[in-house]
Amino acid sequence: NAGVMQNPRHLVRRRGQEARLRCSPMKGHSHVYWYRQLPEEGLKFMVYLQKENIIDESGMPKERFSAEFPKEGPSILRIQQVVRGDSAAYFCASSPLSTGTLKNIQYFGAGTRLSVL
Amino acid sequence: GENVEQHPSTLSVQEGDSAVIKCTYSDSASNYFPWYKQELGKGPQLIIDIRSNVGEKKDQRIAVTLNKTAKHFSLHITETQPEDSAVYFCAAPHSAGNMLTFGGGTRLMVKP
Repeated sequence: NAGVMQNPRHLVRRRGQEARLRCSPMKGHSHVYWYRQLPEEGLKFMVYLQKENIIDESGMPKERFSAEFPKEGPSILRIQQVVRGDSAAYFCASSPLSTGTLKNIQYFGAGTRLSVL
Repeated sequence: GENVEQHPSTLSVQEGDSAVIKCTYSDSASNYFPWYKQELGKGPQLIIDIRSNVGEKKDQRIAVTLNKTAKHFSLHITETQPEDSAVYFCAAPHSAGNMLTFGGGTRLMVKP
């Protein structure tokens, strides 16, 4: 059973370009979370999605950032017109259920390290 | 929302000694407390978790204790080995949903 798959592992963009980060959850998981980690810091929640729905985007900047989790295919975190401050590691996590004994358990991918030149 | 504080930020121990990392949380409704290990260049790996209906959970050399009254929980690693060297994060869920709030992390260094 493959874990959470993220790609690309490393992404380099120039200021003003767009960055697209992809995440495929573990098999059987329908809940996806995106977190951002700045160097030497902890992880900060950005957005929580289920298939075709954004459940909570309270941690995501209001401008330039968007996320989706379509019925088919991976979840996408999109950053438009990137700036140097967007440089960070972006992690995706997935979980199987939102209720019951497996609630809250999240498994993380290896992350995408975005560098903005 | 939830606020999670983690101490210490760095911890250096001799191989074979024990290591203890402590976290406090603010939301008394929180009922799930995971610990993650993150090695350099990798994603966080879930190593142990505890729910609020128990006070302690063990898995070989690692254990987690929970004090709901004081709103703190701790990670205990016994007989530390060099491969335990990593950054460890505690977390607690937002009361409003499934999202996790993470502590600031503890860099554990085990000296051979």
